[in-house]
Amino acid sequence: NAGVTQTPKFRVLKTGQSMTLLCAQDMNHEYMYWYRQDPGMGLRLIHYSVGEGTTAKGEVPDGYNVSRLKKQNFLLGLESAAPSQTSVYFCASRLGTVNTGELFFGEGSRLTVL
Amino acid sequence: KQEVTQIPAALSVPEGENLVLNCSFTDSAIYNLQWFRQDPGKGLTSLLLIQSSQREQTSGRLNASLDKSSGRSTLYIAASQPGDSATYLCAVKGQAGTALIFGKGTTLSVSS
Repeated sequence: NAGVTQTPKFRVLKTGQSMTLLCAQDMNHEYMYWYRQDPGMGLRLIHYSVGEGTTAKGEVPDGYNVSRLKKQNFLLGLESAAPSQTSVYFCASRLGTVNTGELFFGEGSRLTVL
Repeated sequence: KQEVTQIPAALSVPEGENLVLNCSFTDSAIYNLQWFRQDPGKGLTSLLLIQSSQREQTSGRLNASLDKSSGRSTLYIAASQPGDSATYLCAVKGQAGTALIFGKGTTLSVSS
């Protein structure tokens, strides 16, 4: 049981380049989330999805786009990367039938924008 | 707006000590509270999940309590070990449709 898998784990980009982070979960979870973690700022929610075909903005959505075309996958895109987007990105998922489900995290994707 | 605070930000103890980590939140209307552990360079691992109707949860040497009315939770670690060294984060789940709000964590160092 792989749980939540993120790819790639590391990436270096130049300012203005684009990229996509992939999150895949094999637990049949409805809810999926993208967070970023920065020193001194803690974990901040970027976007989330409550089911296939749906997405919603979190606390810091600017500069990112997401898609949830399949239930098991949640993609985070950066169209034009900026140095301020250098961070560690975490995907998480939970069973969404009730609001009490446990949250499971991936191992993180470290992005550096030069 | 829900805010989650964890004090202290860092804690160093000798091996074998019992210790308490604190988490406070400003809005008591929560569905649950979850404690996580994060090792350096790794993702978050769920330790304990306390539903709003519960007062505490236990797993091995860990015990988490929840006092919704006062907006507080504590994570008690018994007989600490060097392997417990990590950052511990708490997160609260608010009303339906909202995501977890995280504290900034307490970094624990247990020396042998």
